[in-house]
Amino acid sequence: ETGVTQTPRHLVMGMTNKKSLKCEQHLGHNAMYWYKQSAKKPLELMFVYNFKEQTENNSVPSRFSPECPNSSHLFLHLHTLQPEDSALYLCASSQDRDTYNSPLHFGNGTRLTVT
Amino acid sequence: AQSVAQPEDQVNVAEGNPLTVKCTYSVSGNPYLFWYVQYPNRGLQFLLKYITGDNLVKGSYGFEAEFNKSQTSFHLKKPSALVSDSALYFCAVRVQTGSARQLTFGSGTQLTVLP
Repeated sequence: ETGVTQTPRHLVMGMTNKKSLKCEQHLGHNAMYWYKQSAKKPLELMFVYNFKEQTENNSVPSRFSPECPNSSHLFLHLHTLQPEDSALYLCASSQDRDTYNSPLHFGNGTRLTVT
Repeated sequence: AQSVAQPEDQVNVAEGNPLTVKCTYSVSGNPYLFWYVQYPNRGLQFLLKYITGDNLVKGSYGFEAEFNKSQTSFHLKKPSALVSDSALYFCAVRVQTGSARQLTFGSGTQLTVLP
């Protein structure tokens, strides 16, 4: 059983809706990540938080808004999305951002469909 | 910039036969290399990593990988494939220098083990 839990597993939303994805890790890690996985494309790193501070935003559109209230929880707030935003959104955690030999631990993802 | 190439989108192998999933990388500096596996409707699971030391690294589920510095490769191998090994495999690299601190993933290789 994964130490990283994502909810919901599936989400269908209209382009005018507002929804949030939730991620929780029980591994005592200090870094958390959001990735986007689209078919036939490499994983895209979206955001990185290290000790609750956002350290990377890889040119993600403002319709995606992350929030990290503590080292165990990570949210991705969604609003006015586009159909091309439909993808699997993966949350991950690691010991911290700068421990380079520390692997990432992933949740099972939220399958998002924008209609 | 660091990059990872997985030259094969699809690898098919018969059950019981050895399998190889190829990965080459390009970095400035010493690489940290990782293999992850993704089963359907799941997140990525860490399989093994190379940090330093022995070029042959052993990981979960009987997998191993060989680091070859001169060929800048880190191929994943297993002596005898199982049907249950069928999944999507990702190679990833990171370095400890400059701004390229995060993992860079390859585009993935779909492994199918035929009974």
